[in-house]
Amino acid sequence: ETGVTQTPRHLVMGMTNKKSLKCEQHLGHNAMYWYKQSAKKPLELMFVYSLEERVENNSVPSRFSPECPNSSHLFLHLHTLQPEDSALYLCASSQDWRGFQYFGPGTRLLVL
Amino acid sequence: LAKTTQPISMDSYEGQEVNITCSHNNIATNDYITWYQQFPSQGPRFIIQGYKTKVTNEVASLFIPADRKSSTLSLPRVSLSDTAVYYCLVGLSGSARQLTFGSGTQLTVLP
Repeated sequence: ETGVTQTPRHLVMGMTNKKSLKCEQHLGHNAMYWYKQSAKKPLELMFVYSLEERVENNSVPSRFSPECPNSSHLFLHLHTLQPEDSALYLCASSQDWRGFQYFGPGTRLLVL
Repeated sequence: LAKTTQPISMDSYEGQEVNITCSHNNIATNDYITWYQQFPSQGPRFIIQGYKTKVTNEVASLFIPADRKSSTLSLPRVSLSDTAVYYCLVGLSGSARQLTFGSGTQLTVLP
């Protein structure tokens, strides 16, 4: 248990669905992240929210939309996804973006 | 962010000491070196972080030479449960935009 929780843990959705992934951290951190990890590939940073900056990886398609209402919660809104978006989606937090990160257990997403 | 290079895979036997080296030739003055461990279908777990010389905790040691162009993660007396992917991450002095995990090293511990 790292203090970072993610829901749901597993998600199956069709290409026309809209769903949201939720991440919550109970560590008092000020930076939160979304990563994508496809099978046997390195982690790909998608978004970073911190007090200092908000970062979006320009290669992330617009069908992924992040929302960070406060420093403890982070959402990833999904719409009209493609089968190649099937992956493990990981949330992480750190004291600030320079600190080492605590990762959640991930959401395993399957797009049919 | 300093680009890192690690071996793709390593094999070891239970009870042995394992050393995984990461090269980071263009590390910046203010950059720290951080290592993570990842098991299949789980998020990475922080192992150790250092800036120079040697850092040791209850899990591992991190050796960093004076030029800081490389670092070595040392795992003492590995067990089967240490089989995982190990990532070296360098560069926390620039922008969050540059955060990049490399390909990591798949360590397989054999009985």
